[in-house]
Amino acid sequence: TQLLEQSPQFLSIQEGENLTVYCNSSSVFSSLQWYRQEPGEGPVLLVTVVTGGEVKKLKRLTFQFGDARKDSSLHITAAQPGDTGLYLCAGRESGANNLFFGTGTRLTVIP
Amino acid sequence: DTGVSQDPRHKITKRGQNVTFRCDPISEHNRLYWYRQTLGQGPEFLTYFQNEAQLEKSRLLSDRFSAERPKGSFSTLEIQRTEQGDSAMYLCASSLRTSGYYTGELFFGEGSRLTVL
Repeated sequence: TQLLEQSPQFLSIQEGENLTVYCNSSSVFSSLQWYRQEPGEGPVLLVTVVTGGEVKKLKRLTFQFGDARKDSSLHITAAQPGDTGLYLCAGRESGANNLFFGTGTRLTVIP
Repeated sequence: DTGVSQDPRHKITKRGQNVTFRCDPISEHNRLYWYRQTLGQGPEFLTYFQNEAQLEKSRLLSDRFSAERPKGSFSTLEIQRTEQGDSAMYLCASSLRTSGYYTGELFFGEGSRLTVL
């Protein structure tokens, strides 16, 4: 059973467009991470958010943690072909040591 | 240090055979995780170790699956009597947990892809 649902599951956009990916759960997380995974490789960490309402920016990527720490969003401005990949959110419940991953959003940016 | 390494990268086996995957974590990392990922899905947690102790196992880890980390360094994941449903990418990740602030970042290997015919 997946604790974290991501939407959309697939997204194909033109270079230069903006997009938002959502990660939702009924569980409260002490921290939430976003990873990006390219074909044939393992996921690579992009960001960790720990405080409800927190916003972090990483160049053209903006991450937000929901006030109730149950959801998160990733916004990409002016998408580039290099942004293509599988984006995964992952949450850690309070007191837990394992990390649960979301269902994933596969992004394709067309040049 | 070259990061987390997994071996083999690809394994094709017949149903009913046993397979074993090896993971070498980043050398100073005390935590090691195994995940399973099917095509287009996010990784599913299987188990994790802190040093040599296996501290948590998912319900997904049936009795055909066994994982070890005998000396707190490398780990093996064995699947006995493989079934077609076991076909997946098996990912290993490591992290460093200290008494101080824990970032929780997992460093993943490239995975071992299993195909059961």
